[in-house]
Parts: sequence; C-alpha cells; structure tokens
Amino acid sequence: AQSVTQLGSHVSVSEGALVLLRCNYSSSVPPYLFWYVQYPNQGLQLLLKYTSAATLVKGINGFEAEFKKSETSFHLTKPSAHMSDAAEYFCAVRKDNQGGKLIFGQGTELSVKP
Amino acid sequence: EPEVTQTPSHQVTQMGQEVILRCVPISNHLYFYWYRQILGQKVEFLVSFYNNEISEKSEIFDDQFSVERPDGSNFTLKIRSTKLEDSAMYFCASREGTGSVNEQFFGPGTRLTVL
Repeated sequence: AQSVTQLGSHVSVSEGALVLLRCNYSSSVPPYLFWYVQYPNQGLQLLLKYTSAATLVKGINGFEAEFKKSETSFHLTKPSAHMSDAAEYFCAVRKDNQGGKLIFGQGTELSVKP
Repeated sequence: EPEVTQTPSHQVTQMGQEVILRCVPISNHLYFYWYRQILGQKVEFLVSFYNNEISEKSEIFDDQFSVERPDGSNFTLKIRSTKLEDSAMYFCASREGTGSVNEQFFGPGTRLTVL
C-alpha cells in the first residue's frame, strides 16, 4: 500500500534561511509525488510534482524537490525563506489506479520569523 | 485561469440534518474527487468519480454519503444525516485525465460545522 510520511509537524526558519521539509514515501511501484501548499483559510495549491521525467523538480515560488529512490524521499527545499512562505505544506502520493486518488502526509506547518 | 469553485464556503447545520456541498469542477476535466480535512489533521480521500459513477471510495464514505453530477457541470456531495464528527473542511478536486502529468486541482473548500 502506498503511504507518505512527513517528518516534523512544525518547522520554523528565519527569513532568508534555507527551507527543508521532509517527505518519505512508501510505494511498490514508481510513484507520482506531489507537494501542495495551503495558505490560511484557502484550498490546496500545487507547488510541484514528480512524474519520473526528472529527479529534480522545480516548482512555483522558488521551491524545488528531489526524488531519491534509494532513500524513498521527496524533500521540499527553498534556498531562502520569505515571510509569504508561511503556510501548511502537504506531500502526497498518487495511487495509480483508475481513480488516481491522492494519499496525503500529515502536513508540515512552516513558520518564518523576521 | 480556470479553477474549481465550491459553495457554500461555510455551512452550519444541526446534527441529523442533510447537507449538500456543491462543486463546479474545471470544465474539460473528467475525474472528480472529494476530500475532507478535520481540523488539525491531514487531508483524507473520500471518493473519486468518473464516467458518472464512483470509481473508488474510502472507509469514511459510508451509506450516509453520496455523490452526484446532476447536470454535467456541478458535482455534489450529500451527507444524509450529519454527525458531529462530520465537522471538517471538505475539498472538491478535479483532474483532466489519466495522463501521468495531470494533477488534481482543488477548490477552496467548504467548512462544515455540525452542532
């Protein structure tokens, strides 16, 4: 069965510091992996997706993620945090069947200190 | 840019009442989904819908839940007799097709409060 684990429910960084949000997946087949962001009182917005085309995936707002099969990881990074990055971040794996439902991790709340 | 819309943004209801949550997916999308997020918890899959029928449903999606695409544009989630534990944010999502690059687009959500 596919699953996703996000290490750390809360991450706090200073403005300008590196952002690293961790995600590990479990999948018996090559996975499709996604990072979504949820700003307060809003829906889920896609940041980036891995679909086996390239292991380093660039997304919106300066975020990127690297797929590492050997580590079953898909960590999200951003070189320099901005105050506007404060939000909840969700890693998800897509179950590759007819329905293609998303299985989400627990989420990581990112706080950015001035 | 096309987007998924949901109404209402907030619904308050009494326990035991029926509620209908409405969604308008992106017009050329073929797959539709409902997810929910109980406060402080992760987003959970409820149901997927394709070709006018349910393609997959979770354990949460019991007989109290139903989905419908009544007119080719709306996609609704009905809860027949709400319980306190149904209080959550409900997200609708849609996807264009089965291609590997097709991600799900989410609506802004409906916050359901059951009293």
